[in-house]
Amino acid sequence: SYVLAQPPSVSVAPGETARITCGGDNIESKSVFWYQQKAGQAPVLVIHHDNDRPSGIPERFSGSNAANTAALTISTVEAGDEADYYCVVWDLSDGGHIEVFGGGTKLTV
Amino acid sequence: QVQLQESGPGLVKPSETLSLTCSVSGGSVSDDYWGWIRQPPGKGLEWIGHIYHSGRTNYSPSLQSRVTILLEKSANQFSLKLTSVTAADTAIYYCARGEDGYRDWGQGTLVTVSS
Repeated sequence: SYVLAQPPSVSVAPGETARITCGGDNIESKSVFWYQQKAGQAPVLVIHHDNDRPSGIPERFSGSNAANTAALTISTVEAGDEADYYCVVWDLSDGGHIEVFGGGTKLTV
Repeated sequence: QVQLQESGPGLVKPSETLSLTCSVSGGSVSDDYWGWIRQPPGKGLEWIGHIYHSGRTNYSPSLQSRVTILLEKSANQFSLKLTSVTAADTAIYYCARGEDGYRDWGQGTLVTVSS
């Protein structure tokens, strides 16, 4: 089964740029999604299809996907960005797709 | 924005079947796709499976032998059944609406497996 590797934690100061990575075999050939989950809340989709933002997600959030590593970049980090972040890939299967979640990265601001 | 609400027993005995329902408002289960995701206490998210508006399903390979997801179009709901549960199935269970990623989520419901 497909495995995604995320660092357990990333720490940045307010105003800095945070980069959270997601490693996987040939991940550049797959669609990558990113979810933000704040403490005690349901997840929120922040990036879909590698680098598209749903409406309402600030431009500070961006994604990339190349050479076995996908990444979520959060520029000008705010205290409110502190959360767990999960990468997800789609693996095509039986005419649809299955979803594989990474283990999550705790962002501390 | 589509709203989702999970419902079902909060306590299930080992070896029995976990059954949950997700009620949808502000949208129709005849559109998009609808998923179940769970999160053991203090741990990460795990995808369980989803069902398309057509009724086609995809399940996590690790749970496929025990999972069934069904659409109930007349009630605008969809459901999850997980058989032969153990303590490892204790988790917060979320239902979600999929449209290029899960864009709307329920608040989640804690299901504990214990005798």
